[in-house]
Amino acid sequence: ETGVTQTPRHLVMGMTNKKSLKCEQHLGHNAMYWYKQSAKKPLELMFVYNFKEQTENNSVPSRFSPECPNSSHLFLHLHTLQPEDSALYLCASSQNPGGTDTQYFGPGTRLTVL
Amino acid sequence: QKEVEQNSGPLSVPEGAIASLNCTYSDRGSQSFFWYRQYSGKSPELIMSIYSNGDKEDGRFTAQLNKASQYVSLLIRDSQPSDSATYLCAVHQTGANNLFFGTGTRLTVIP
Repeated sequence: ETGVTQTPRHLVMGMTNKKSLKCEQHLGHNAMYWYKQSAKKPLELMFVYNFKEQTENNSVPSRFSPECPNSSHLFLHLHTLQPEDSALYLCASSQNPGGTDTQYFGPGTRLTVL
Repeated sequence: QKEVEQNSGPLSVPEGAIASLNCTYSDRGSQSFFWYRQYSGKSPELIMSIYSNGDKEDGRFTAQLNKASQYVSLLIRDSQPSDSATYLCAVHQTGANNLFFGTGTRLTVIP
């Protein structure tokens, strides 16, 4: 099993839909992250979880709702999104939080909001 | 001021040449620096990490760090077409709970 997996790989949703992105890490790490990657922009950190507790919310709109039931799983619940939310959503994990440890990325979910 | 800046490119080099990728950062107290490679349609993967001034070599890759100039670079020797990708510079700023990424430099190695 690869280190960090994400499902689905592609998602098309309308602005009134509710969907969820799932991330699972098999590395025994304690920290998990959600990033948004848009064209021509740097990777934008959205949320950080350390030992399943949220430690960072980078001013993300409430239409994005994270959930971390345990250290290995991370969800991103989506509702009433906007077309500008279309992007690649990447999950990552690291042994410890704080940015000093290497982060390992999942393959991402390509989201299109119609 | 952007925390991490990279030339977006594209940077084109012939096969076998040295590719030089550059990154500057704004926080003088930053201690950890990473280079990630991202192929089109794929997720970033770690190439090198560097924490001390000077050079760090790993195969064909050399990371160079100059904290006084707030500058970190990645050299790729004997460039191969398979090195064609976007290279992301990431920096851990003092007191921050995460990494700051640059926009990436797109490298094309021409056969």
